[in-house]
Amino acid sequence: SQTIHQWPATLVQPVGSPLSLECTVEGTSNPNLYWYRQAAGRGLQLLFYSVGIGQISSEVPQNLSASRPQDRQFILSSKKLLLSDSGFYLCAWSSGTGGTSYEQYFGPGTRLTVT
Amino acid sequence: AQSVAQPEDQVNVAEGNPLTVKCTYSVSGNPYLFWYVQYPNRGLQFLLKYITGDNLVKGSYGFEAEFNKSQTSFHLKKPSALVSDSALYFCAVRAGGSYIPTFGRGTSLIVHP
Repeated sequence: SQTIHQWPATLVQPVGSPLSLECTVEGTSNPNLYWYRQAAGRGLQLLFYSVGIGQISSEVPQNLSASRPQDRQFILSSKKLLLSDSGFYLCAWSSGTGGTSYEQYFGPGTRLTVT
Repeated sequence: AQSVAQPEDQVNVAEGNPLTVKCTYSVSGNPYLFWYVQYPNRGLQFLLKYITGDNLVKGSYGFEAEFNKSQTSFHLKKPSALVSDSALYFCAVRAGGSYIPTFGRGTSLIVHP
């Protein structure tokens, strides 16, 4: 069965510090991968998605970036955090091209607080 | 462009009563529709989907949803609510050729004992 991991679970970082959040998926190949941010326990904001290694699409211009160095690894980064980067970050995957499921599966999330 | 509306920020229901969480959508072409549930400080969990076929789809934990093409709706239902169903529910839609779903703002379901 497929599993999605995210770490760390919680993170407190000062303004101006760097960020690296990691997401890995097990049990599937060539997944589509997504990074979302959820503010105030409500709506999801899509930040980045990827349909393959090295292929990253950005949905929102900001000081965050994403990379996909391996098929099942998705990393969210920032060189300098802002207060507004605080939130609940969720990684998700769905079947890629040729897959038979259409829904997304989400990781447990990372709670980021920028102080 | 695609969009989802969840018109109720919060739904309150007594345990044992039926529940409905509303969702309407707009999308070009045939819609792929989804419901997810989120418990506090957790990721979203997939409940059910409509891709094609029978308009009534059944999912996890006794939930079901009815696809209504003429009303562009996909309401989530359960015949008998449990206190443990209390959570945040998200409806999502995407067009058949897209990898990117659009999520509604979420509806908080509160089931009272």
